[in-house]
Amino acid sequence: GQQLNQSPQSMFIQEGEDVSMNCTSSSIFNTWLWYKQDPGEGPVLLIALYKAGELTSNGRLTAQFGITRKDSFLNISASIPSDVGIYFCAGPSQGAQKLVFGQGTRLTINP
Amino acid sequence: GAGVSQTPSNKVTEKGKYVELRCDPISGHTALYWYRQSLGQGPEFLIYFQGTGAADDSGLPNDRFFAVRPEGSVSTLKIQRTERGDSAVYLCASSLTNRVFDTEAFFGQGTRLTVV
Repeated sequence: GQQLNQSPQSMFIQEGEDVSMNCTSSSIFNTWLWYKQDPGEGPVLLIALYKAGELTSNGRLTAQFGITRKDSFLNISASIPSDVGIYFCAGPSQGAQKLVFGQGTRLTINP
Repeated sequence: GAGVSQTPSNKVTEKGKYVELRCDPISGHTALYWYRQSLGQGPEFLIYFQGTGAADDSGLPNDRFFAVRPEGSVSTLKIQRTERGDSAVYLCASSLTNRVFDTEAFFGQGTRLTVV
């Protein structure tokens, strides 16, 4: 089945640093979604991308839909403590009303 | 509340027992999804309801798992003869329509199931 691979698996950064993570697939996705999950909570949608090449921002977050439709990246600028959590990319499975998720990138911010 | 509510938050059960996990979706949302999240992994699809009917149950791992949504609102995920490998966080999500990529799916906080 379709799979999404995220890298890196974990990141340890200093507050104020910029963050970049990406998501790749061997198959084409027509929509890319980025979620954040805090401990003990469900994932929350951050950004949705619908067109190849699209670049979308949400505050300090910027995400791009790769031109090949097989990858996407998420950038966070000037990280703050509340950015800590696990970031997931996801996309709708072909021909089905369900999402496929990557395995996540865990972000830790050193004080 | 205004969000998706799941109960219980935590459930510890003995191997072989039967469990029920409940999901209250956002009022008016016709689509409801169940996902399972193992430690260190992303959520994995289990089953999707459109209204009262299970439109796609292809993610249910075996016949010990069953879910219902009799009135098109609250859903219950039922697991028979639980096994230690069933231990995970079970997430429920709902969305306004069945077009998963057009409308945001809102997730509940999950039920952490531990089978001992």
